[in-house]
Amino acid sequence: AQTVTQSQPEMSVQEAETVTLSCTYDTSESDYYLFWYKQPPSRQMILVIRQEAYKQQNATENRFSVNFQKAAKSFSLKISDSQLGDAAMYFCAYRSYNTDKLIFGTGTRLQVFP
Amino acid sequence: NAGVTQTPKFQVLKTGQSMTLQCAQDMNHEYMSWYRQDPGMGLRLIHYSVGAGITDQGEVPNGYNVSRSTTEDFPLRLLSAAPSQTSVYFCASRKSGTQNTGELFFGEGSRLTVL
Repeated sequence: AQTVTQSQPEMSVQEAETVTLSCTYDTSESDYYLFWYKQPPSRQMILVIRQEAYKQQNATENRFSVNFQKAAKSFSLKISDSQLGDAAMYFCAYRSYNTDKLIFGTGTRLQVFP
Repeated sequence: NAGVTQTPKFQVLKTGQSMTLQCAQDMNHEYMSWYRQDPGMGLRLIHYSVGAGITDQGEVPNGYNVSRSTTEDFPLRLLSAAPSQTSVYFCASRKSGTQNTGELFFGEGSRLTVL
């Protein structure tokens, strides 16, 4: 069975600095999606970034980028120039091409200090 | 477009009561699902549906029923609520077929407390 592990329950960063959130996963599949979702205090789940496993190039969305290491089964999220509005829970998630189930990690709570 | 709409947003039940959490989406998504979110456990899949008339169990289906009579609606029923079902519930949907990018679109969540 596939699993997603986020080993950092909490992280903190100062405004304008860079922070990296870790995620590892376990799968025997070769084709899959990986996602990072943000959950602010409003509770709404917001997609931050997605990566398809067949793409070697790391995905980037403005200040958010990933370091996707397929062989190591690692999918970290880097937030550059952190802003107060980045404070939230961040969830890493995995989905195989062959199933309809999205599997989530337990989340990392990010605090941003001014 | 409203996206994914969940009602109610908050609900308090007594043990043994029944209730239905409503979920509707206006994006013509074939796939719909229900997750529960508990502290320290992330989001866990309860039930999902790949189209009208088709449902299947997820990771934690016990105590919950679903049906999918239309593409738009996917209600989640608690037949006899238990304190262990106190949680935040999320409905989510996504595109299917060639338009499937894998991304789930979430509702705003429903906080349920069972006393």
